[in-house]
Amino acid sequence: LAKTTQPISMDSYEGQEVNITCSHNNIATNDYITWYQQFPSQGPRFIIQGYKTKVTNEVASLFIPADRKSSTLSLPRVSLSDTAVYYCLVGGRMDSSYKLIFGSGTRLLVRP
Amino acid sequence: SAVISQKPSRDICQRGTSLTIQCQVDSQVTMMFWYRQQPGQSLTLIATANQGSEATYESGFVIDKFPISRPNLTFSTLTVSNMSPEDSSIYLCSVEISGRGNSGRFYEQYFGPGTRLTVT
Repeated sequence: LAKTTQPISMDSYEGQEVNITCSHNNIATNDYITWYQQFPSQGPRFIIQGYKTKVTNEVASLFIPADRKSSTLSLPRVSLSDTAVYYCLVGGRMDSSYKLIFGSGTRLLVRP
Repeated sequence: SAVISQKPSRDICQRGTSLTIQCQVDSQVTMMFWYRQQPGQSLTLIATANQGSEATYESGFVIDKFPISRPNLTFSTLTVSNMSPEDSSIYLCSVEISGRGNSGRFYEQYFGPGTRLTVT
């Protein structure tokens, strides 16, 4: 099973770009990489998903190298409201079964 | 995306009792999932619930302890049976929204707000 490793915590300042990397050395061919944001007392919120190369949406970018053994979530110009825990999820569907492995989470603190 | 609600939002229960958590989604979905999240920890998948079939449980979770119902495409329940203090946790349901986009296929999960369970 793909085991995911993330930094426990990161600090940043408002307006900076933040990059959070997740390592997943044993990622399988069918696995997707998804990132979630979680605030206290709330369920995780979908940020972005990718399989390979680069994906960008209105809130973030996701960089995945060719070997797919890691991925980097990039948050441009963070604000105080981006203070949260960020999880990478590696897994997906294989026929009718699922494999879903959440990382341990990265606690991001954005300072004024 | 999908809007998911859970009931109850929190509960305090005595050991040996059972609690049923409800999960309602605002659209029809095939796959629903149940997770457990210990305070300050990551999420662990309990089981996958496909409408019309038996739930599929992950290693370490059994049907007798966590029976799941999936009566239709918008609803599911998880029961935590014969509770002990070790079952104190946050229980979350999620749904899968899948399809094909500009970047290929996608399988996105959307989560409910969670149910905070405390067993005394």
